Amino acid sequence: NAGVTQTPKFQVLKTGQSMTLQCAQDMNHEYMSWYRQDPGMGLRLIHYSVGAGITDQGEVPNGYNVSRSTTEDFPLRLLSAAPSQTSVYFCASRARGVMNTEAFFGQGTRLTVV
Amino acid sequence: TQLLEQSPQFLSIQEGENLTVYCNSSSVFSSLQWYRQEPGEGPVLLVTVVTGGEVKKLKRLTFQFGDARKDSSLHITAAQPGDTGLYLCAGARTAAGNKLTFGGGTRVLVKP
Repeated sequence: NAGVTQTPKFQVLKTGQSMTLQCAQDMNHEYMSWYRQDPGMGLRLIHYSVGAGITDQGEVPNGYNVSRSTTEDFPLRLLSAAPSQTSVYFCASRARGVMNTEAFFGQGTRLTVV
Repeated sequence: TQLLEQSPQFLSIQEGENLTVYCNSSSVFSSLQWYRQEPGEGPVLLVTVVTGGEVKKLKRLTFQFGDARKDSSLHITAAQPGDTGLYLCAGARTAAGNKLTFGGGTRVLVKP
């Protein structure tokens, strides 16, 4: 089972460049989220979605855009990369449930902005 | 400032010792989860606690949810090198849990 697939695994960008981090899940989960993880730290929520066509901001949304045109895909766009966006990015998906459900994570995208 | 504060940030112990990791908040959560993350991987769920005062055991790991649903703890008995990793608590404010936020993590190193 593929689960949550993130591409690319590694990326180096120059300051000011834009790019899209891809995330796809094959579990038909309604909820999807993007997090960033800085060295030695926990995960901070960037944006999340509760279904196709519905997105909302998390704790650190500035400099990032998302869209959710299908249940399967949830791409994260960096509009104009800055060195402060150097981080590891994780995409997660969860099923909708009566109570909090398990989050399944991709393997992450390690992004360096120079 | 994160909504969920974990302590300590780093813990280094010898194999066979016990350890406890704490997750605290000033807010009430409908449920709390604990995840473990190994280098180069995404976090993996260990447990979900939903009832105030709840205690769950997973082999040598014991998880507790505070009575007021504002805090949780993870206790590992007789730690082994395989327990090494980053432990993360995560909480959802609503029962539906559509917005999951994480604590800062506790890095545990168990030395043989």
